[in-house]
Amino acid sequence: NAGVMQNPRHLVRRRGQEARLRCSPMKGHSHVYWYRQLPEEGLKFMVYLQKENIIDESGMPKERFSAEFPKEGPSILRIQQVVRGDSAAYFCASSSGFSDTQYFGPGTRLTVL
Amino acid sequence: AQTVTQSQPEMSVQEAETVTLSCTYDTSESDYYLFWYKQPPSRQMILVIRQEAYKQQNATENRFSVNFQKAAKSFSLKISDSQLGDAAMYFCAYKESGGGADGLTFGKGTHLIIQP
Repeated sequence: NAGVMQNPRHLVRRRGQEARLRCSPMKGHSHVYWYRQLPEEGLKFMVYLQKENIIDESGMPKERFSAEFPKEGPSILRIQQVVRGDSAAYFCASSSGFSDTQYFGPGTRLTVL
Repeated sequence: AQTVTQSQPEMSVQEAETVTLSCTYDTSESDYYLFWYKQPPSRQMILVIRQEAYKQQNATENRFSVNFQKAAKSFSLKISDSQLGDAAMYFCAYKESGGGADGLTFGKGTHLIIQP
């Protein structure tokens, strides 16, 4: 069983560009979570999605950030007009149910120049 | 809001010895889940152990065990017979069961160093 896949592993963007981060959950998992990890910090929850639905986006910044999990294909975290403060590691996790253990992908490290 | 506190930014232990990492949390809920995750230099988050709050028995996974004290809101991780491969950041995490907050709430982590 393949684990949670994320790509790209590293992404460099200039200020003002768009960043698109992709996450493919583990086989059989329909729940996806996105987290952000700033240097020297723990992970902070951003958004929880099920297929075609955003369930909880209480941790998402109100502007420039959006997420989707279409019926077909990976979940996408999109950051528009990136700023230096967006530089961080972004992790995706998946689970088979709400109360089930979340398994994490390897993360995408975003660097904004 | 729930908070998770790891009071030890860094711990060091001799190889083959036992070490205990501390975690406390604050919640008004009676049913929830607690986790320890390990983050080695590769940055991958790896599940170490999971505890359901309704279970009185402490969870164990091979050399890893927890001391879950629900009344004290304490959830410490004991690593026995420490190995070089255990060197990593360790994060304690909390999740509500049922409705409410959907994501995990993490502590700031403890950096575990294994001395050969």
